[in-house]
Amino acid sequence: EAGVTQFPSHSVIEKGQTVTLRCDPISGHDNLYWYRRVMGKEIKFLLHFVKESKQDESGMPNNRFLAERTGGTYSTLKVQPAELEDSGVYFCASSSRLAGGTDTQYFGPGTRLTVL
Amino acid sequence: DAKTTQPNSMESNEEEPVHLPCNHSTISGTDYIHWYRQLPSQGPEYVIHGLTSNVNNRMASLAIAEDRKSSTLILHRATLRDAAVYYCILRDYVTNNLFFGTGTRLTVIP
Repeated sequence: EAGVTQFPSHSVIEKGQTVTLRCDPISGHDNLYWYRRVMGKEIKFLLHFVKESKQDESGMPNNRFLAERTGGTYSTLKVQPAELEDSGVYFCASSSRLAGGTDTQYFGPGTRLTVL
Repeated sequence: DAKTTQPNSMESNEEEPVHLPCNHSTISGTDYIHWYRQLPSQGPEYVIHGLTSNVNNRMASLAIAEDRKSSTLILHRATLRDAAVYYCILRDYVTNNLFFGTGTRLTVIP
């Protein structure tokens, strides 16, 4: 079974440009999460989808970030326009909540975004 | 706002047990304690989780203090492949989000 995949693995853009990150969760996983780690900081939660609906987007830093999950399958995270402080590694995770409250999140390898 | 505190780094000799501590003094009653680890150039990988009782799985053991304000991840026999950054994480049961700490970088010495 394929794990969580993310594309691209690296992206280098200039300040003011737009970048779109993609995440393909494990097939059948209804829950999809975005996290990021900016330089020197901890990994921080951004948002959570349940199927195509945004369950929690409290971690989104500002309105330059737009996440979508049309059809409840893959998700995209668009940054427009990108700023220097957006540089970091963006992780996607997916999970399928099981009975009993266990919910292991499976992470992708991340997309390293560099804004120059 | 980190909810957990861990030592920045630890070392262990290969094939010896490793005890990785974590403090979470502000843990709430609905927070699960999760441990993930991150190998170089990879995303975090689930290791183990628990709520109140000690837990064992094929990767590790988790010992949780009676007051739940601290926990210890135990690797019974460290191998070179266990060298990674280990994160102690509180999972909010209601929102299901993971609050990552600073992590402990484990170095395994051959």
